[in-house]
Amino acid sequence: GNSVTQMEGPVTLSEEAFLTINCTYTATGYPSLFWYVQYPGEGLQLLLKATKADDKGSNKGFEATYRKETTSFHLEKGSVQVSDSAVYFCALTNQAGTALIFGKGTTLSVSS
Amino acid sequence: EAGVVQSPRYKIIEKKQPVAFWCNPISGHNTLYWYRQNLGQGPELLIRYENEEAVDDSQLPKDRFSAERLKGVDSTLKIQPAELGDSAVYLCASSPEAGEVTGELFFGEGSRLTVL
Repeated sequence: GNSVTQMEGPVTLSEEAFLTINCTYTATGYPSLFWYVQYPGEGLQLLLKATKADDKGSNKGFEATYRKETTSFHLEKGSVQVSDSAVYFCALTNQAGTALIFGKGTTLSVSS
Repeated sequence: EAGVVQSPRYKIIEKKQPVAFWCNPISGHNTLYWYRQNLGQGPELLIRYENEEAVDDSQLPKDRFSAERLKGVDSTLKIQPAELGDSAVYLCASSPEAGEVTGELFFGEGSRLTVL
């Protein structure tokens, strides 16, 4: 079945640093890819998505590009803020396309 | 617009006791999911409903877990009897889409279960 692997955390950065969180996937067919974020004390929420190869999802300064050739969907942000401190989950649709399969999550901590 | 509402937020029980979690999805969302999130892990699907029908319950441990969504709106997830390994956060999510997921799943804040 489909699966996703994301880099282990925690990731600790200073404010304004560049962020990359790696995510690779294994899938049958052409899944949709997602990044979800969980801020402290809050529920999971969608950060960005891409539904086909070479699509770029973007939101709140974060970007990720659906790379079919490398089966990757790495999350990037050029300048992180303290408010970006959260747990980030990479996800893809299952083989049937009807539910999401999540990675283990990467904790990001940004200090001022 | 109200989000996905779950209760209780926290529950502590002793092993072998029953427990139930309730979820009220966003109004008009016909698809409802229950996920389980173990500590340090990502959410894992337990069951998916389209309206009142459980269309995917292949990951639900049916010996002790049950779920229902009788009127196609709110849903209950039950564990009986609970085991130590059931300690986790139980997440409910809803979506306005049926069938394939292309958009956002809207998650509740979860119900954290501790089994002693």
